Amino acid sequence: SQQGEEDPQALSIQEGENATMNCSYKTSINNLQWYRQNSGRGLVHLILIRSNEREKHSGRLRVTLDTSKKSSSLLITASRAADTASYFCATDHSNAGGTSYGKLTFGQGTILTVHP
Amino acid sequence: GAGVSQSPRYKVAKRGQDVALRCDPISGHVSLFWYQQALGQGPEFLTYFQNEAQLDKSGLPSDRFFAERPEGSVSTLKIQRTQQEDSAVYLCASSSQGYKVEKLFFGSGTQLSVL
Repeated sequence: SQQGEEDPQALSIQEGENATMNCSYKTSINNLQWYRQNSGRGLVHLILIRSNEREKHSGRLRVTLDTSKKSSSLLITASRAADTASYFCATDHSNAGGTSYGKLTFGQGTILTVHP
Repeated sequence: GAGVSQSPRYKVAKRGQDVALRCDPISGHVSLFWYQQALGQGPEFLTYFQNEAQLDKSGLPSDRFFAERPEGSVSTLKIQRTQQEDSAVYLCASSSQGYKVEKLFFGSGTQLSVL
């Protein structure tokens, strides 16, 4: 079963607008990652935020983490048609002798469509 | 190659048939993961290798599923006596990190259809 829940399930916007996707999880994490998947392809790592961080930026991406609410959001600014894809949050709560090993639990994803 | 390679890209099997799915991780990558992705869902963890050691197989759905990585590089996921509910995309991912893995590189997956 999947731990993460994402909303919205689908998001449709115009080029140039911002897109915000949210993710919630249930148990404590080592880190939270966002991945992108184009139709019929594998997942591509976008950004990681550690449990002791609150906000990170990477290019047009901004991710926030609120561990008290067990939630995260991904903001894509100035969206482009090429951003059209499915976006997944993934939580790492793995533990092997006190060390994480990268086992990820994925949400169901948000399908983003950016219209030219 | 530069990325994670999976073969075959598509596999059609008759119910009851055995299948073998191959993953070639990025050269030198220590960690290797298998995930199963049903249509319209996020990937679900199956199993994890660190080099040749299978350290976590808690996600394998039944004893019909078996994975190996005998030399710590190429991995094979085998499904015996396939059933229709096994139809999914099987994704392989690798990482250069052994512990505190913070980034996975995914292959394009093998789409398995069981008729």
